[in-house]
Amino acid sequence: DTAVSQTPKYLVTQMGNDKSIKCEQNLGHDTMYWYKQDSKKFLKIMFSYNNKELIINETVPNRFSPKSPDKAHLNLHINSLELGDSAVYFCASSRRSGTQYFGPGTRLLVL
Amino acid sequence: KQEVTQIPAALSVPEGENLVLNCSFTDSAIYNLQWFRQDPGKGLTSLLLIQSSQREQTSGRLNASLDKSSGRSTLYIAASQPGDSATYLCAVRPGYSGGGADGLTFGKGTHLIIQP
Repeated sequence: DTAVSQTPKYLVTQMGNDKSIKCEQNLGHDTMYWYKQDSKKFLKIMFSYNNKELIINETVPNRFSPKSPDKAHLNLHINSLELGDSAVYFCASSRRSGTQYFGPGTRLLVL
Repeated sequence: KQEVTQIPAALSVPEGENLVLNCSFTDSAIYNLQWFRQDPGKGLTSLLLIQSSQREQTSGRLNASLDKSSGRSTLYIAASQPGDSATYLCAVRPGYSGGGADGLTFGKGTHLIIQP
C-alpha cells in the first residue's frame, strides 16, 4: 500500500557517471516533484511537473532532468555526477495544490 | 524570494509538556502552509495542511494556526510523548493564479527531543 516509492534507496557512484532515480506514486495525483536535501538537512525544490507543465528551479544545473513516462512516474536523470550532488533526493506528489506526500528518499553518494 | 524561518532550531522538553513551534515566512502571498515531521534517516510525514483562507487545523494532539497577514504559523503539540521526538518542518506553497505547479519552500526545521 506504498503511496510514493523511490528506487534505489541508496546509490553510491563515481564522479562523472550518469545515474537515474525512479519515483512512482499510486495516489492518482496529477503533480509530482523532486526535492534535494543537502548535508545540512535543508530541503529545496528542484522540479515540479504535471502533465502540462514542467517548472524548474533556476538553481538546478541542466545536468539534472526529470522524465515522466506516465502520470504515475517521474524519474530523475543526472548526468556527469559531481561530488556536490551527494545528498538525499525526495520525490513527492500531490493533487494540484493539495497536501504533498513524500517518498522515503534516495541517498546518493558521489565518490 | 520567499524565506521560511523556524524557531527554535532545537528544543528539549520533558514528557507531558505542551509546546509550541514557530514558523515565519517573508512573503504573505501563499497558497497554503504544511507542517511535516521527519524522523532520522526517513522521509517526510505530512502532519497538517492549512489553506491560506483558514486560521487553524487540528489533528489529534496537534494544532496548527496560520496568520497569513503577519507571515506566521505555529504548531502546538499537547501532552508531548517521547514518540513525538523528530524534526518538524514548516513549508509554504506560493500563491498563484490560473493553475500551474510549484513546489514548497521549507524552513530548516525544529529538532525536538521529548525526554521520558
